[in-house]
Amino acid sequence: GAGVSQSPSNKVTEKGKDVELRCDPISGHTALYWYRQRLGQGLEFLIYFQGNSAPDKSGLPSDRFSAERTGESVSTLTIQRTQQEDSAVYLCASSSQGYQPQHFGDGTRLSIL
Amino acid sequence: TQLLEQSPQFLSIQEGENLTVYCNSSSVFSSLQWYRQEPGEGPVLLVTVVTGGEVKKLKRLTFQFGDARKDSSLHITAAQPGDTGLYLCAGETGGSYIPTFGRGTSLIVHP
Repeated sequence: GAGVSQSPSNKVTEKGKDVELRCDPISGHTALYWYRQRLGQGLEFLIYFQGNSAPDKSGLPSDRFSAERTGESVSTLTIQRTQQEDSAVYLCASSSQGYQPQHFGDGTRLSIL
Repeated sequence: TQLLEQSPQFLSIQEGENLTVYCNSSSVFSSLQWYRQEPGEGPVLLVTVVTGGEVKKLKRLTFQFGDARKDSSLHITAAQPGDTGLYLCAGETGGSYIPTFGRGTSLIVHP
């Protein structure tokens, strides 16, 4: 597609359930980022993928969070045993390489009941 | 401690007014970006500045990067309702590929 695509756009789930969020980056973009945006807050970095290099996971808030990316394509962010504080918008961005401007998807709004 | 401080946090003005929002830090940035985010959407890049003292114009928007590359400003002339949104600044320090984002300035322009 022409832009970064994220799915689902909205997700409501019960506390304790696992959720999986998907990101389709722009074709050819080697860099992919996941961010979390809580209401009224800026973007909180979670994880960064660059090509086939080991991802930078320094922003993941706990071991309940994990992410995978196959080559330079789709990425999934998984949150296990969700907690209410995980409620936020999860944004994915891609760029042609590190340092380049990032193109964002519209995010997944996650609500934990 | 927020690496990038944005001010003001909220701004509500009438159509036709001018405004300036600020992005400040004690750190030196190799580059700095400004984004606008509308409700329910992801941030959209407006501009990237990389040279100290650089000024870039995008129609009614003027972006300035401080001489020391520690701060930036965004000035909007004759604001319009379509300018309404959350304005975010972000920057990279040193050799990091991971930008730091400010908390944003929420702008509402009333018709």
